[in-house]
Amino acid sequence: NAGVTQTPKFRVLKTGQSMTLLCAQDMNHEYMYWYRQDPGMGLRLIHYSVGEGTTAKGEVPDGYNVSRLKKQNFLLGLESAAPSQTSVYFCASSPETGYWNQPQHFGDGTRLSIL
Amino acid sequence: AQTVTQSQPEMSVQEAETVTLSCTYDTSENNYYLFWYKQPPSRQMILVIRQEAYKQQNATENRFSVNFQKAAKSFSLKISDSQLGDTAMYFCAFFISNFGNEKLTFGTGTRLTIIP
Repeated sequence: NAGVTQTPKFRVLKTGQSMTLLCAQDMNHEYMYWYRQDPGMGLRLIHYSVGEGTTAKGEVPDGYNVSRLKKQNFLLGLESAAPSQTSVYFCASSPETGYWNQPQHFGDGTRLSIL
Repeated sequence: AQTVTQSQPEMSVQEAETVTLSCTYDTSENNYYLFWYKQPPSRQMILVIRQEAYKQQNATENRFSVNFQKAAKSFSLKISDSQLGDTAMYFCAFFISNFGNEKLTFGTGTRLTIIP
């Protein structure tokens, strides 16, 4: 029962470097999400996808790009990392929305530090 | 815009006691969903309980129950017979589904510690 798997679990970057966070789900979910979690704050939505080939902006999309080329994968990219992007990143997935049982299944998170 | 407020940053309670975590929200929508998530030190977000706004009956999941007051826009979580494994951050979340604009909004969380 893999569920939602995030890779890597931890990474340290220098300012200006680029990287991609990978999220994979094996539940055939249509919807996938990327959140960031900062100290003293709740999760904030960065980008989300409602199906293969689609992406949409969330609450805090600036500085990030995403792609959903395959239904099971949702990639989050940082083109030029900044210290303000130091955070814990969570990926989540859910079945097709519109139903009340809409729990999102979360990955274990990726701790990203930008020096 | 929707907002979710958790006014208790930290709480602690003795094992086996009952504790209530508060959550209020603000929205102009009539149909929405509310959730409580638990985040233990392992960091994984775990769904604890969920409530549909149009249902008047409060949701219950074993030791976890909610007090949903729609008019007051309040959604508190009660944990009965608390256990050491309940120690975690608890997040209240609000979900609204407008086609093409789905969003799950989280509160800032309450850190709950169960004392042996």
